[in-house]
Amino acid sequence: GAVVSQHPSWVICKSGTSVKIECRSLDFQATTMFWYRQFPKQSLMLMATSNEGSKATYEQGVEKDKFLINHASLTLSTLTVTSAHPEDSSFYICSARDWTSGTDEQYFGPGTRLTVT
Amino acid sequence: AQSVAQPEDQVNVAEGNPLTVKCTYSVSGNPYLFWYVQYPNRGLQFLLKYITGDNLVKGSYGFEAEFNKSQTSFHLKKPSALVSDSALYFCAVSQQAGTALIFGKGTTLSVSS
Repeated sequence: GAVVSQHPSWVICKSGTSVKIECRSLDFQATTMFWYRQFPKQSLMLMATSNEGSKATYEQGVEKDKFLINHASLTLSTLTVTSAHPEDSSFYICSARDWTSGTDEQYFGPGTRLTVT
Repeated sequence: AQSVAQPEDQVNVAEGNPLTVKCTYSVSGNPYLFWYVQYPNRGLQFLLKYITGDNLVKGSYGFEAEFNKSQTSFHLKKPSALVSDSALYFCAVSQQAGTALIFGKGTTLSVSS
């Protein structure tokens, strides 16, 4: 089946630094990827929709200048948390939409645990 | 606006007993409904989905779910629970294929031996 990877799986950074998280579709092309965040014991909340070759669409309340999304190729989307603060500590999960195979399925990555100290 | 409700924070069952995890939804038009399972510090694993057709959907690991349009429900079921089924379960909905999912708050399933 289709596989989506995320790198890194976990990261610890200091407050004020930036962190980049990669989301890759390994065996299919994804024109659309989604970024979610999950706080402990809470549900997944959609942050933004990433479209290859165009600007991401952010959900209300998500700062686009803080959470930079780049979808430069059909297999890679990146989320950069800029000037990270402890309240950005969360579990970030991406998903990729596979429409080329005709299934239009959505596959989730394993997630990235971000801890800001 | 779309929404998903999982009314139970936790469901406790004994191993071998049937289990049900409840989900109701609100969406305009025909819903696309999903169930995912999440183990600690892991991503989501797809269990099953309903798009159209038979109201009873069979999925992975012996799970199934029944779509009930009149009650706007999509409850997850399994005839005989295993201890290894203990995890966090999410119901999700979207208005069309391939769009972002709206998730319920999740239900923790605890299966005791």
